[in-house]
Amino acid sequence: EVQLVESGGGLVQPGRSMKLSCAASGFTFNNYDMAWVCQAPKKGLEWVATISYDGSSTYYRDSVKGRFTISRDNAKSTLYLQMDSLRSEDTATYYCARHADPYYGGLNWFAYWGQGTLVTVSS
Amino acid sequence: DIQMTQSPASLSASLGETVTIECRASEDIYNGLAWYQQKPGKSPQLLIYNANSLHTGVPSRFSGSGSGTQYSLKINSLQSEDVASYFCQQYYDYLTFGSGTKLEIK
Repeated sequence: EVQLVESGGGLVQPGRSMKLSCAASGFTFNNYDMAWVCQAPKKGLEWVATISYDGSSTYYRDSVKGRFTISRDNAKSTLYLQMDSLRSEDTATYYCARHADPYYGGLNWFAYWGQGTLVTVSS
Repeated sequence: DIQMTQSPASLSASLGETVTIECRASEDIYNGLAWYQQKPGKSPQLLIYNANSLHTGVPSRFSGSGSGTQYSLKINSLQSEDVASYFCQQYYDYLTFGSGTKLEIK
C-alpha cells in the first residue's frame, strides 16, 4: 500500500524558513517523480514543485521560484520542501504527492497523496 | 499559463441522480486532464486520468470525457459517499487545477 506521511508544518513568522518532509513507503521511491501541492484554507489546489525520480530535474510554480527548494533522499525514501522567505500567502496545507507511472513521461497527474501538513505564516 | 475554468462552483443533487461537472481549458490540452475527489477534511484522491481513464479502484459510476478545451466528469447513480469537492487538473503544459466544484446531496 502506498503511504506518504508529511511532517514539519506549524506556525512560522513572515520572512522565516521552514522545512517539510515526506516519508514514502509501499512503492519503489526512486522510480517516481514526486511533488508538493498546496491548498490555502477553504481554497483550491495549487501545484508547488516537482522533482524527477533521480533528483536531476526540478520544476516550480512562478510564485515560489527562488524561495522554495524541492529535494529528495532516495536512500531514505524521503521528499523535502525547504521554504525560505515565507509570506502570509504561503499559509496552506502542503500535500506530498506521487506522480503517475514514469511510463507516461513528463509532468503528469498525481496518483497518490499524503494527508498533508499545515503551514501557517503569521506574526 | 493554461487557465482551467470549472463549473458549477457548487451543485446539489438527489441520491440516484446523474451529475456532470465541466472544465474548460484556455487552450487545447490534448486530453492531458485528470479529475480528483476531495472528501471533507481529507486529501484529494485520483479518479480519472488522460481525460477518460478510470484510476484503479474507482467505482465505474464515475466517467470522464471530452477533448480539446472542453472536458467533463459524470457521476451516475449519485451515492451519499460522493459528497465531496471535485477538481480538474491539466498537465499538458505544467500543472494547473480548476477552482473546484462542491457537491452536496439535496
